[in-house]
Amino acid sequence: GENVEQHPSTLSVQEGDSAVIKCTYSDSASNYFPWYKQELGKGPQLIIDIRSNVGEKKDQRIAVTLNKTAKHFSLHITETQPEDSAVYFCAASIDNYGQNFVFGPGTRLSVLP
Amino acid sequence: DVKVTQSSRYLVKRTGEKVFLECVQDMDHENMFWYRQDPGLGLRLIYFSYDVKMKEKGDIPEGYSVSREKKERFSLILESASTNQTSMYLCAWGGSSYNEQFFGPGTRLTVL
Repeated sequence: GENVEQHPSTLSVQEGDSAVIKCTYSDSASNYFPWYKQELGKGPQLIIDIRSNVGEKKDQRIAVTLNKTAKHFSLHITETQPEDSAVYFCAASIDNYGQNFVFGPGTRLSVLP
Repeated sequence: DVKVTQSSRYLVKRTGEKVFLECVQDMDHENMFWYRQDPGLGLRLIYFSYDVKMKEKGDIPEGYSVSREKKERFSLILESASTNQTSMYLCAWGGSSYNEQFFGPGTRLTVL
């Protein structure tokens, strides 16, 4: 079955710097890759996603890149702010309809003022 | 706003007790999911349901069962709680294909 690895497990950056989180997946049939952000005491919330027919997607300070050949995808956050501090999860779909995922183990991002 | 509510935020139970975790979503959609979240392991799917009275096993169904008698309600059942089921349990509702899953705030279950 699908296996998703995520690195690093913790990341500390200075406010205003960029942060990059990387994930790899094992099943070449996966075709949908969402990223979720979990703030303290809350459930995860979708922040950006990408489908396999696209190499990059951007939404303001957040971008995701996908390399299908190498089976890895990355989250890029620019101009980090203290409110970006959270746990981030990548995921890869395991069905043909993008409704069921395997999640990575998570990255705890701390943005230092 | 879409809302997913879970019956309790914190729960403490004893080994061997039967435990019910309830999840209610306020939208008329089909897909609902139960995950458990443990440090370093991310979110792991226990069971999911795409319709009333329908259920499918996820990655770690052992020791759990589910019930979906009404579209808006999806219950997770621990038939005989054990200490290794101490965890954070998250319920989610999902829309149609390639759309967001909406998560509840979670229930932190401790089994003593």
